[in-house]
Amino acid sequence: NAGVMQNPRHLVRRRGQEARLRCSPMKGHSHVYWYRQLPEEGLKFMVYLQKENIIDESGMPKERFSAEFPKEGPSILRIQQVVRGDSAAYFCASSRGTDRETQYFGPGTRLLVL
Amino acid sequence: DAKTTQPTSMDCAEGRAANLPCNHSTISGNEYVYWYRQIHSQGPQYIIHGLKNNETNEMASLIITEDRKSSTLILPHATLRDTAVYYCIVRNAGNNRKLIWGLGTSLAVNP
Repeated sequence: NAGVMQNPRHLVRRRGQEARLRCSPMKGHSHVYWYRQLPEEGLKFMVYLQKENIIDESGMPKERFSAEFPKEGPSILRIQQVVRGDSAAYFCASSRGTDRETQYFGPGTRLLVL
Repeated sequence: DAKTTQPTSMDCAEGRAANLPCNHSTISGNEYVYWYRQIHSQGPQYIIHGLKNNETNEMASLIITEDRKSSTLILPHATLRDTAVYYCIVRNAGNNRKLIWGLGTSLAVNP
């Protein structure tokens, strides 16, 4: 049973470009979570999605960041007009969605903004 | 803010048990204690979770005090590959599913 998959594993962008990060949840999981980890810090929650719905985006920056989880295909975290402060590791987790279900994490995408 | 307090770092000799403490004095009745670890900036790895009873799986044991205000993660025979940052997280059982992370405990297993 394949785990959570994320791609790309590493992404380099210049300031002002767009970054698209993809996350494929584990088989049978319909809930996806995105977290960001700045260097030498713990993970910070960004957004929680179910298929075609954003459930909690309380951790998302108000501008330039968006997330989706379409009916078909992976979840996408999109960052427009990237700035150097966006450089971080972005982790995706998935769960089945029952109240107590454990979140399982992918390997992350390391974004570097030059 | 994280609802848990953990020591910043710990050391353990290879082959010995590693006991990692966590304080969660404000935990409420329907909140679970979860443990994850992160090895050298890899994705966090789930270890174990519990509500009020002690739990054991193939990776570790979780001991929760009777008042639930603290817990201890036990790695019975630590290996060099257990060197990682260990995070103790309190999570509500309801719809608020986000995990709130502290800085964890950096465990160094020494040969």
